[in-house]
Amino acid sequence: KAGVTQTPRYLIKTRGQQVTLSCSPISGHRSVSWYQQTPGQGLQFLFEYFSETQRNKGNFPGRFSGRQFSNSRSEMNVSTLELGDSALYLCASSKEGRGLDTQYFGPGTRLTVL
Amino acid sequence: DQQVKQNSPSLSVQEGRISILNCDYTNSMFDYFLWYKKYPAEGPTFLISISSIKDKNEDGRFTVFLNKSAKHLSLHIVPSQPGDSAVYFCAASALQGAQKLVFGQGTRLTINP
Repeated sequence: KAGVTQTPRYLIKTRGQQVTLSCSPISGHRSVSWYQQTPGQGLQFLFEYFSETQRNKGNFPGRFSGRQFSNSRSEMNVSTLELGDSALYLCASSKEGRGLDTQYFGPGTRLTVL
Repeated sequence: DQQVKQNSPSLSVQEGRISILNCDYTNSMFDYFLWYKKYPAEGPTFLISISSIKDKNEDGRFTVFLNKSAKHLSLHIVPSQPGDSAVYFCAASALQGAQKLVFGQGTRLTINP
């Protein structure tokens, strides 16, 4: 079974631009979560989608948004990029995103903001 | 407010010996815990999990112990192998509602030959 895939793997943007990252979950998984990893803050939860609905959201500004499509693929968007948005963005999928589900992570998208 | 803490940023262990990684949590709502391993330039890989109804879970060389009263869990790797060198993250979640993992800062484990 193919794992979680994320595109692109690397991205360089400048301040003020916007960016869209894509995530394809494991086949059959309906929940997709997004996390940001930075050296200072570690791994932090951004948001979670299930059946095209955002069910849970972390403490990030409104510049960070996402969506999920009917095939469970998900995208996240960051508008008006800031230098501090430079990070590894990780997507994880699970079957239902509840209870004893295990989240499986993709390889991440490394975003550099100049 | 860091709800999940891994107080040791790094750990060095000799090959063949036991590696013990520790994790503490403060939120009593957490009742499901997971360990992930991460290599550079890759996403975290799931290792093992435990729910609060258990105090121990084993999978091959990996064992996780949970002490609910102390709000402490540990991951034991026996015997340690060079391929175990990686960063290990502890994560916690509440079983109620949509799952939202809260991660510790990670411990870099180095296995020396």
